[in-house]
Amino acid sequence: GAVVSQHPSRVICKSGTSVKIECRSLDFQATTMFWYRQFPKQSLMLMATSNEGSKATYEQGVEKDKFLINHASLTLSTLTVTSAHPEDSSFYICSAPGASGDLGTGELFFGEGSRLTVL
Amino acid sequence: AQSVAQPEDQVNVAEGNPLTVKCTYSVSGNPYLFWYVQYPNRGLQFLLKYITGDNLVKGSYGFEAEFNKSQTSFHLKKPSALVSDSALYFCAVRRAGNNRKLIWGLGTSLAVNP
Repeated sequence: GAVVSQHPSRVICKSGTSVKIECRSLDFQATTMFWYRQFPKQSLMLMATSNEGSKATYEQGVEKDKFLINHASLTLSTLTVTSAHPEDSSFYICSAPGASGDLGTGELFFGEGSRLTVL
Repeated sequence: AQSVAQPEDQVNVAEGNPLTVKCTYSVSGNPYLFWYVQYPNRGLQFLLKYITGDNLVKGSYGFEAEFNKSQTSFHLKKPSALVSDSALYFCAVRRAGNNRKLIWGLGTSLAVNP
């Protein structure tokens, strides 16, 4: 199956700093990637849809100025948490639809996730 | 409103026994249904999906699920559970013809006891 690589897997930062998380599709091209946030023992919350070559589409309630998404190429999307605060500590996961043609029926391929801890 | 329900937060089964993780959905039109598994501190892995055709679909690691249109359910099953099946299981649905966003259940934690 398709492989999505996410980096870093863990990051600890001080409050007020910015953190960048990368999501790469290794063996396929992804014009769309999805960024999720997962709280402990809770479901996935879709934060935004990353679109190659255009602006990301953010879900309601997600601050676009805080969670900057850039999809500069067909294999790379980045999520930058700006001016991070302890409440931003969470597990962030990216995903991409596989190269199945019909994206409606296709499953998603997920990165391994990035655990962000803001001190 | 479209939604997916996983009525059990946690399911406990003994190794070797059959397991069922329940999922019901409320989606207008024809649904595309998916099951994913998440091991601790990892991303999600695709298990299986129902798009059309045979109501019983088979997936990875010996799992299967049955689409029941009248009951709007898509329960995940396995005839004989393994300790290594212990993980968090997510049901998700996408409406046919909709954009690519999935509607997710809250997840069910499966614990298989030796």
